[in-house]
Amino acid sequence: GENVEQHPSTLSVQEGDSAVIKCTYSDSASNYFPWYKQELGKGPQLIIDIRSNVGEKKDQRIAVTLNKTAKHFSLHITETQPEDSAVYFCAARGEYGNKLVFGAGTILRVKS
Amino acid sequence: DAGVIQSPRHEVTEMGQEVTLRCKPISGHNSLFWYRQTMMRGLELLIYFNNNVPIDDSGMPEDRFSAKMPNASFSTLKIQPSEPRDSAVYFCASSFVVVRSSYNEQFFGPGTRLTVL
Repeated sequence: GENVEQHPSTLSVQEGDSAVIKCTYSDSASNYFPWYKQELGKGPQLIIDIRSNVGEKKDQRIAVTLNKTAKHFSLHITETQPEDSAVYFCAARGEYGNKLVFGAGTILRVKS
Repeated sequence: DAGVIQSPRHEVTEMGQEVTLRCKPISGHNSLFWYRQTMMRGLELLIYFNNNVPIDDSGMPEDRFSAKMPNASFSTLKIQPSEPRDSAVYFCASSFVVVRSSYNEQFFGPGTRLTVL
């Protein structure tokens, strides 16, 4: 089955700097890759997603890139702000079905 | 929209007791998922339903765990008997899926923090 690895496990950046989180997946049939943000005491919330037919997607300060050949995808946050501090999860879903496989998560701390 | 509703938000129980977690999905959604989150194992899918029918329960750890979805607006996850290693945060999520290959967002509830003493 699908396996998703996520790095780094923790990331500290200065406010205003960029943050990059990387994930790799094992199943070449996976075709949907969402990113979730989880704040303390809350459930994960979708922040951006990308489908396998595109290489990059951007939404304001957040962007995601996908390299299908290498089977990896990354989350880029620019101009980080203290409210970006949270746990971020990547996930992958196979060609059929609704089952998401999540990475282990990255704790992002934005220092002001 | 109230979002996915879970109850209770916190549950503390003693080993051996039965625990029932409840979930109300977003109205109109036809898929429901139960996840468990721990520091050691991260976010794991336990079971998911499509149109109230269990589709994949391969993540259910043991026979002590069972899940039901009697109608489109309610699901339960039961642990009987509970053990200390079941302590975790349990999330319910729902989505609306039209076809098998749809890319539909899963909306998570706030979770139930379970502590088994």
